[in-house]
Amino acid sequence: GAVVSQHPSRVICKSGTSVKIECRSLDFQATTMFWYRQFPKQSLMLMATSNEGSKATYEQGVEKDKFLINHASLTLSTLTVTSAHPEDSSFYICSARIWGKNTEAFFGQGTRLTVV
Amino acid sequence: KNQVEQSPQSLIILEGKNCTLQCNYTVSPFSNLRWYKQDTGRGPVSLTIMTFSENTKSNGRYTATLDADTKQSSLHITASQLSDSASYICVVSEKPRGSNYQLIWGAGTKLIIKP
Repeated sequence: GAVVSQHPSRVICKSGTSVKIECRSLDFQATTMFWYRQFPKQSLMLMATSNEGSKATYEQGVEKDKFLINHASLTLSTLTVTSAHPEDSSFYICSARIWGKNTEAFFGQGTRLTVV
Repeated sequence: KNQVEQSPQSLIILEGKNCTLQCNYTVSPFSNLRWYKQDTGRGPVSLTIMTFSENTKSNGRYTATLDADTKQSSLHITASQLSDSASYICVVSEKPRGSNYQLIWGAGTKLIIKP
């Protein structure tokens, strides 16, 4: 099956700093990538939808200036958490959709962000 | 409002036993229904995807059913193994409007297999 690689898997950062998370589709081209956040014991919550070469579409309540998304190529999308605060500590997961297919979405391994 | 509800919220069974997880949805227009397995601290992994015309799909010891009339799905796990301990999430895809479609996530069922 298609592989989505997310990096880093864990990151600890100081409050006020920025953190970049990478999401790569390794063996397919992903026109659309999705970024999710998951708090403990809760289901995934969609943050934004990222289309290659265009601006991301953010879900209601998600600050676009705080969560910067770049999708510069068909195999890479990045999420930057700017000026991180402890309440941003969460599990962030990306997923990617194969070009031309509306059904399958493949998920990265997730990134555990801890802001201290 | 599009919703996906799963039951039970959590389930503990002995290794080797079978179990069935339930998913009810109100998503319309419907495109497909997926079951994912998510291990703690990991991203979800797809188990099955079913479209409107499919009512059963198997993946090894996992068998998913779909009743599009009653808007219900189940995931049956046979001969459970310790490695089956995970959260199982039902996700329903709303029919695409153009190139965008929305995934509606259930809260998941946390399954624990005990030796």
